[in-house]
Amino acid sequence: DAGVIQSPRHEVTEMGQEVTLRCKPISGHNSLFWYRQTMMRGLELLIYFNNNVPIDDSGMPEDRFSAKMPNASFSTLKIQPSEPRDSAVYFCASSFGGRFGNTEAFFGQGTRLTVV
Amino acid sequence: AQRVTQPEKLLSVFKGAPVELKCNYSYSGSPELFWYVQYSRQRLQLLLRHISRESIKGFTADLNKGETSFHLKKPFAQEEDSAMYYCALNNAGNMLTFGGGTRLMVKP
Repeated sequence: DAGVIQSPRHEVTEMGQEVTLRCKPISGHNSLFWYRQTMMRGLELLIYFNNNVPIDDSGMPEDRFSAKMPNASFSTLKIQPSEPRDSAVYFCASSFGGRFGNTEAFFGQGTRLTVV
Repeated sequence: AQRVTQPEKLLSVFKGAPVELKCNYSYSGSPELFWYVQYSRQRLQLLLRHISRESIKGFTADLNKGETSFHLKKPFAQEEDSAMYYCALNNAGNMLTFGGGTRLMVKP
């Protein structure tokens, strides 16, 4: 397995434009996470899916952000409209929520988003 | 609600000096604690987990439920330890929450 795959690796867009980030989790994993990494706030959990169902989206900043997981092998994070303060590195991670105490999350390479 | 706090954003030490990266958590249940590390230009990856009681690359971490802490320690820091370190908590529902991270710089 190639691990968690995110695309694109870099995205530069103008304020007001729609941005879609994509993630392919590791096959067989049943949990998927979207995180945002900034210097000021570290690694913030945006949304967590389990078995393709959103379990906790309390970290999603506002209505401009939305995430979907139509099937076990694909998820998207969309920002519409984008703003300069959304500039950050966005990470996707997946894990298998099996026996308690044995859940390691595997991260993608991240998408560096710059909104100008 | 679960929360992870890393009070230091930056920790700078000299090579060979001891290192302690602090992590405190709040969680009403029985937590599963981890340390993740992000080396320059690499993916975030698991360093160690409390349940394994293991030592990885010379690092250890002990879960102290009384103090709700999970500090990461290494007796002698190496330059290759320079990286971003994140403490993380996994709840019973498999939701993984991270602290703000601590950047460790080991100077020669």
